[in-house]
Amino acid sequence: DGGITQSPKYLFRKEGQNVTLSCEQNLNHDAMYWYRQDPGQGLRLIYYSQIVNDFQKGDIAEGYSVSREKKESFPLTVTSAQKNPTAFYLCASSNPLRGEADTQYFGPGTRLTVL
Amino acid sequence: QKEVEQNSGPLSVPEGAIASLNCTYSDRGSQSFFWYRQYSGKSPELIMFIYSNGDKEDGRFTAQLNKASQYVSLLIRDSQPSDSATYLCAVKGSGTASKLTFGTGTRLQVTL
Repeated sequence: DGGITQSPKYLFRKEGQNVTLSCEQNLNHDAMYWYRQDPGQGLRLIYYSQIVNDFQKGDIAEGYSVSREKKESFPLTVTSAQKNPTAFYLCASSNPLRGEADTQYFGPGTRLTVL
Repeated sequence: QKEVEQNSGPLSVPEGAIASLNCTYSDRGSQSFFWYRQYSGKSPELIMFIYSNGDKEDGRFTAQLNKASQYVSLLIRDSQPSDSATYLCAVKGSGTASKLTFGTGTRLQVTL
């Protein structure tokens, strides 16, 4: 059963703490992405990775970090430098080499709340 | 200036009617266009994509693309209450990276 999993579903963080959001996919996709969604807003790109051991900043990378040590995994760390981290975080993956116009598929999301 | 624009709605249509959702984009070199449906509190799910001018149909859904006018739309025929959701338009730009730019979404309400 192929898909994208994210954990945890809900996460609460105290101010000043770093937290790591997990994203795993078994679709054999090369590319993975992290987005943030705020209420009533569209998705904004945080980081993306087109291949293992390589990643690029998106539009709002400040206060976040990522790693891509395995093709299946793309964890996102929300650091204490992120001033307003409360949001819905979405992970996506795609296979640019497949004939689907590089369609991105999303995981179920993690809702992060700062206490 | 926003790169992908959508009317936030809500767009209200009666059950059985056609819902028409619109999206404009600023990057004339954009390559591919996607429509996602997002229920409240859930993640986006793909409805369909289009990359050639004209219409593309999939069941009750039809995507329409006009690159000259930089306009893409989604028609939903025989609208059902279960179609009530926010519809996100996403555009893949002219760069080589696989980045998508999303609109803020249009909220659709299908009334009984």
